[in-house]
Amino acid sequence: EVQLVESGGGMVQPGRSLRLSCAASGFIFDDYAMHWVRQAPGKGLEWVSSISWSSDFIGYADSVRGRFTISRDSAKNSLFLQMNSLRDEDTAFYYCAKERDDSNGFSPSFDYWGQGTLVTVSS
Amino acid sequence: QSALTQPASVSGSPGQSITISCAGTSSDVGGYNYVSWYQHHPGKAPKLIIYEVNNRPSGVSNRFSGSKSGNTASLTISGLQPEDEAHYYCISLTSHSTMVFGGGTKLTVL
Repeated sequence: EVQLVESGGGMVQPGRSLRLSCAASGFIFDDYAMHWVRQAPGKGLEWVSSISWSSDFIGYADSVRGRFTISRDSAKNSLFLQMNSLRDEDTAFYYCAKERDDSNGFSPSFDYWGQGTLVTVSS
Repeated sequence: QSALTQPASVSGSPGQSITISCAGTSSDVGGYNYVSWYQHHPGKAPKLIIYEVNNRPSGVSNRFSGSKSGNTASLTISGLQPEDEAHYYCISLTSHSTMVFGGGTKLTVL
């Protein structure tokens, strides 16, 4: 059974940093691109970042580029999101998601999602 | 990265069909056949219901179908059922190797 479990969320002051983790199990982690998607309270889904299985392809939303860094560790079967210079508008539930297809690169087809971790940026 | 444009809400009665549009540009929806649709019930993880414009993942009802014309993608749900009431989101790959969601559509089953 595919499982994605996010952790690392919490409350943090503006300008500070936070690192999210997503522990993956139930599939061959090295074969699939992975993604981060967020949802601010009362708002819609927003794509944040993606990383191919090889880490050769990485993409960021304009709203986080230069502040967030996505990475993955095959030894730990884990996906990460390092979030620096956090802003109030980064407050959201952050979901990790698995790519449906095992080709290199990435596409917006996420077949499994975690339950999310809440990040609250507030002074 | 402007969000794709979806109607804020649509409604229909059980058994009817509804269509949700997702308008983009030639740099996203119109330029690629990488448009997906997600169903999102509050408090649950989003569910992939259509990928690559018109493909259904295994286990998704054939009442859900997708299409695209020019820069606009569409999701049609036929034979509406009460459990279809949810938020629906489209998402597309873009020319900048990024992705962009639509603003979401709340479907109400009357």
